[in-house]
Amino acid sequence: GAGVSQSPRYKVAKRGQDVALRCDPISGHVSLFWYQQALGQGPEFLTYFQNEAQLDKSGLPSDRFFAERPEGSVSTLKIQRTQQEDSAVYLCASSLVGSANTGELFFGEGSRLTVL
Amino acid sequence: LAKTTQPISMDSYEGQEVNITCSHNNIATNDYITWYQQFPSQGPRFIIQGYKTKVTNEVASLFIPADRKSSTLSLPRVSLSDTAVYYCLVGGSNYQLIWGAGTKLIIKP
Repeated sequence: GAGVSQSPRYKVAKRGQDVALRCDPISGHVSLFWYQQALGQGPEFLTYFQNEAQLDKSGLPSDRFFAERPEGSVSTLKIQRTQQEDSAVYLCASSLVGSANTGELFFGEGSRLTVL
Repeated sequence: LAKTTQPISMDSYEGQEVNITCSHNNIATNDYITWYQQFPSQGPRFIIQGYKTKVTNEVASLFIPADRKSSTLSLPRVSLSDTAVYYCLVGGSNYQLIWGAGTKLIIKP
């Protein structure tokens, strides 16, 4: 596709369930970022990849959060044993340039997670 | 990492020019200034990026004074569809960017 694709767009989970959120970046984009956005707030950095290497995961809120990008393209953000405070929109962004640069970030529409 | 300060909200009217100013007193030598726009239920979208002086593209202009401690995003002749949240970001690399709450711009008819 022409843009960054995220799925599912909406996910409702019961507390304690595991969820997986998928991001398909623009083909050929080197960098991939995950953000968490709470209602009325700006995106908060979670983690980023350069190709398949996860270079920074300092923003992941707990060890229940895990992200991977095994072949340097599609990425998955997994949340284990979801809690109500995990409810948010999860945004994925990709960039043609390496993460050490300030090239344009292309965002997906996000995955809205609601934990009941 | 440089943080930014921008107004929480602004109102304007269709057809007006809107200027949103962002303060970034601790900007570093290698930092760029980047603005993104976000509509409800969508991811942010890149508007413009600059380092110094003035940058203009088809949708906006970015004015940066010589000391680079602030910047102004200028949107000419806004329409209702420009109602969105606008983020000012400063950093030398994408992974350094700190996203604040942005400026909620409301355009009235």
